[in-house]
Amino acid sequence: SQKIEQNSEALNIQEGKTATLTCNYTNYSPAYLQWYRQDPGRGPVFLLLIRENEKEKRKERLKVTFDTTLKQSLFHITASQPADSATYLCAQASNYQLIWGAGTKLIIKP
Amino acid sequence: GAGVSQSPSNKVTEKGKDVELRCDPISGHTALYWYRQSLGQGLEFLIYFQGNSAPDKSGLPSDRFSAERTGGSVSTLTIQRTQQEDSAVYLCASSLGTGTSGAYEQFFGPGTRLTVL
Repeated sequence: SQKIEQNSEALNIQEGKTATLTCNYTNYSPAYLQWYRQDPGRGPVFLLLIRENEKEKRKERLKVTFDTTLKQSLFHITASQPADSATYLCAQASNYQLIWGAGTKLIIKP
Repeated sequence: GAGVSQSPSNKVTEKGKDVELRCDPISGHTALYWYRQSLGQGLEFLIYFQGNSAPDKSGLPSDRFSAERTGGSVSTLTIQRTQQEDSAVYLCASSLGTGTSGAYEQFFGPGTRLTVL
């Protein structure tokens, strides 16, 4: 069955640097891949969606790439800020639902 | 506009009791999803509704779990004879549609934290 894998270890980044999070998937390439942010005690919030035929998508300081050869999506936050600290989830579209990764906790240190 | 709301925000119950969790989706969203999230874990899909119908109930952990949606809007998730392993945060999400392979973003409620003693 299809799986989404994210690094379970927390990622510590110095403020101002670029944070890069990885999302790997098995088996087939999804038509769409979504990234969400989740803060403690809150539901996930949608950030970006990238389509299979898109190599890259940007939104302000955020950038997502999609490499179907590597079966991987990378999520970048440039000029990171302490307020960017959260857990970031990737989700693969599968028919009517999303298959979710467990998320990577990002900590931006001032 | 109003987002997805869920109630109660917290629920503490005793083992063996029934609980009912409620979700109010964003108006006009035809698709509604229920997820379960245990501490430090990802989202576990439970069930989804397209309108009032639930085409896929395969994610429900056992027959103690059931859900319904009336009027294409409010949904309730019921857990009968709760067990300690049911303790988790139950999240509801809605979207404009299911589209083709998940083209629509999902909007989440704040969740209901269920604790079974």
